[in-house]
Amino acid sequence: GQSLEQPSEVTAVEGAIVQINCTYQTSGFYGLSWYQQHDGGAPTFLSYNALDGLEETGRFSSFLSRSDSYGYLLLQELQMKDSASYFCAISNTGNQFYFGTGTSLTVIP
Amino acid sequence: DAMVIQNPRYQVTQFGKPVTLSCSQTLNHNVMYWYQQKSSQAPKLLFHYYDKDFNNEADTPDNFQSRRPNTSFCFLDIRSPGLGDAAMYLCATTGGRNTEAFFGQGTRLTVV
Repeated sequence: GQSLEQPSEVTAVEGAIVQINCTYQTSGFYGLSWYQQHDGGAPTFLSYNALDGLEETGRFSSFLSRSDSYGYLLLQELQMKDSASYFCAISNTGNQFYFGTGTSLTVIP
Repeated sequence: DAMVIQNPRYQVTQFGKPVTLSCSQTLNHNVMYWYQQKSSQAPKLLFHYYDKDFNNEADTPDNFQSRRPNTSFCFLDIRSPGLGDAAMYLCATTGGRNTEAFFGQGTRLTVV
């Protein structure tokens, strides 16, 4: 089987930086990606890592350590609109795509 | 333009009455997924297709079936909906395991 664990809730101040961690267990790991989901909406893609290291996409960066089965999403210059749920997701060699437990981010003024 | 379209956005069905949810994609992607998402929970993978190759998750109830008549369309059939099947159902597609997943807006199913 597989498991992906994230903190359930994070609160941060507007303009600050926040890190959301994800630890996973799976077989046939291929890559780790991150999705944002606002209430009532569909998940939208933020970032993807197949190799170790940091990927930067604007205000969002994602990091992967395959040896530690660990990754994180870094959000910089937080804005109120960043309040949402964030999911890590793993893809594997079987084309399966599993989501983590999700982190609810609240940005406060 | 929407690349993954789910119909309807909202569906109300009676307990035990079969219901079908539909999904179409304009990306010509190989892989299509169906997820169930309940309130404040993560999307749970039900099954996926790689082309016409159907892959069921071990814990997906037999009550849930799927059809993919061609690359563009995929259907989720719930044979006998129970109250516990009320949820948001999300369809997604990827071009393969190393690409981003595109999601439809979902169908919110209510069982009465």
